[in-house]
Amino acid sequence: GQNIDQPTEMTATEGAIVQINCTYQTSGFNGLFWYQQHAGEAPTFLSYNVLDGLEEKGRFSSFLSRSKGYSYLLLKELQMKDSASYLCAVRALYQLIWGAGTKLIIKP
Amino acid sequence: DTGVSQDPRHKITKRGQNVTFRCDPISEHNRLYWYRQTLGQGPEFLTYFQNEAQLEKSRLLSDRFSAERPKGSFSTLEIQRTEQGDSAMYLCASSLDGQTYNEQFFGPGTRLTVL
Repeated sequence: GQNIDQPTEMTATEGAIVQINCTYQTSGFNGLFWYQQHAGEAPTFLSYNVLDGLEEKGRFSSFLSRSKGYSYLLLKELQMKDSASYLCAVRALYQLIWGAGTKLIIKP
Repeated sequence: DTGVSQDPRHKITKRGQNVTFRCDPISEHNRLYWYRQTLGQGPEFLTYFQNEAQLEKSRLLSDRFSAERPKGSFSTLEIQRTEQGDSAMYLCASSLDGQTYNEQFFGPGTRLTVL
C-alpha cells in the first residue's frame, strides 16, 4: 500500500526554527517534494530530494533518507507569512502521492 | 500566478446535474494532471495526460468522471450526475519533461459545491 504520514498541526514562534517530518511507504520512489499551501490557494513548490542528504534553499532546507523512508522540511527565521500547510509528496512513476499536510501556525 | 489557469473558480450545482471544468496549462508543458482535494487532506490523484493521451486514471475514479485533452493543450474534466460527496476543490497541474525537478505547477483550483 501507499502511505505518507505527517503531523497534523504544529505551532512555532516568529523568528524560531521548526522541523516538519514526513515518513513514507510507497511501492515506487522517484523523488520527494515539499509544497506549501496557504488556505484556499493551490500548492506551490518548495523543494525536491531524490538522493539522500540535505538540500538548502534560503530559509528552507529539506532532508531525505531513502533507507528510512523519511524526510523533513526545516524552516528557519520563521515569519508570519510562513503560516500555511506543508505537504509532503512522493513521486511514484508519474503521479504524486500526497500526505495530508501539516498545518503550521506561527505565533508572534 | 504559476501560469496555469482554471475556469470557473467556483461552481455551485444541484445534485444530479452535470458540471464541466476547464484547465489551461503552461503552454509548453506536455504533462497535465487533475487532482481533488478536500479540507484537511492532501490532493488526491484523479488522472494524468501526456500530450493528448490519457495515460493513467485513478481506480477510485467512478465512471461519472471523464477527462479530455483533445489537442494536447487545455483539458476538461466533466462530472456527470453530481453527488454531494463530489464537493471538493478540483486542482489542475502541469509539468514539462526535462525540467530540473519535473515539479508540477498548480492552477488556482475550481471549488465545487453540490447542494
